[in-house]
Amino acid sequence: QQPVQSPQAVILREGEDAVINCSSSKALYSVHWYRQKHGEAPVFLMILLKGGEQKGHEKISASFNEKKQQSSLYLTASQLSYSGTYFCGTEETVGGGSQGNLIFGKGTKLSVKP
Amino acid sequence: DAGITQSPRHKVTETGTPVTLRCHQTENHRYMYWYRQDPGHGLRLIHYSYGVKDTDKGEVSDGYSVSRSKTEDFLLTLESATSSQTSVYFCAISKTGTRHYNEQFFGPGTRLTVL
Repeated sequence: QQPVQSPQAVILREGEDAVINCSSSKALYSVHWYRQKHGEAPVFLMILLKGGEQKGHEKISASFNEKKQQSSLYLTASQLSYSGTYFCGTEETVGGGSQGNLIFGKGTKLSVKP
Repeated sequence: DAGITQSPRHKVTETGTPVTLRCHQTENHRYMYWYRQDPGHGLRLIHYSYGVKDTDKGEVSDGYSVSRSKTEDFLLTLESATSSQTSVYFCAISKTGTRHYNEQFFGPGTRLTVL
């Protein structure tokens, strides 16, 4: 079940903050976040695990609400380099374990202006 | 840099012709994946591999086959290309020994156009 991302697009000025949301109708094992710049490959940012463990980026934070199957990515004091399309990838729970593969949302396009 | 290369990087072909895309990694990771990316759809998993000769289908596997005869190479074949297979194809690897809880690293992509 493809996760739903919101908003679809957002435009910021340098220094402003943004929040990107990802929600699923399925029970999740983990949530991954990636950023993709135009014409390039997606790049891993962060993984959020059941139980609250996080691995990832220094300047970007995220949360994972296991009860609501929702994750949010927080971009603070945005820089021009933050521009790109952000994807969440969800790993669903199956039979108490992980389904294993990632299902990606459709993406959120972030544009940071000077 | 996860040492992933894809070839070719661009290809234009005609409907009905076979096409093979290659993904090569230099670090001997166990798990490899093929995705396609289309506007409005995000990344969708085609096939994945968990070892030499061990492969399985993803969500959009119809019309595609894969092979992995060596750890470092994962091939994606379109037996008879159709215009609906025009897309950007990404290969990815997982650096840890399992598929779970681990980040994926993507190759540079192959842009395929089927006329």
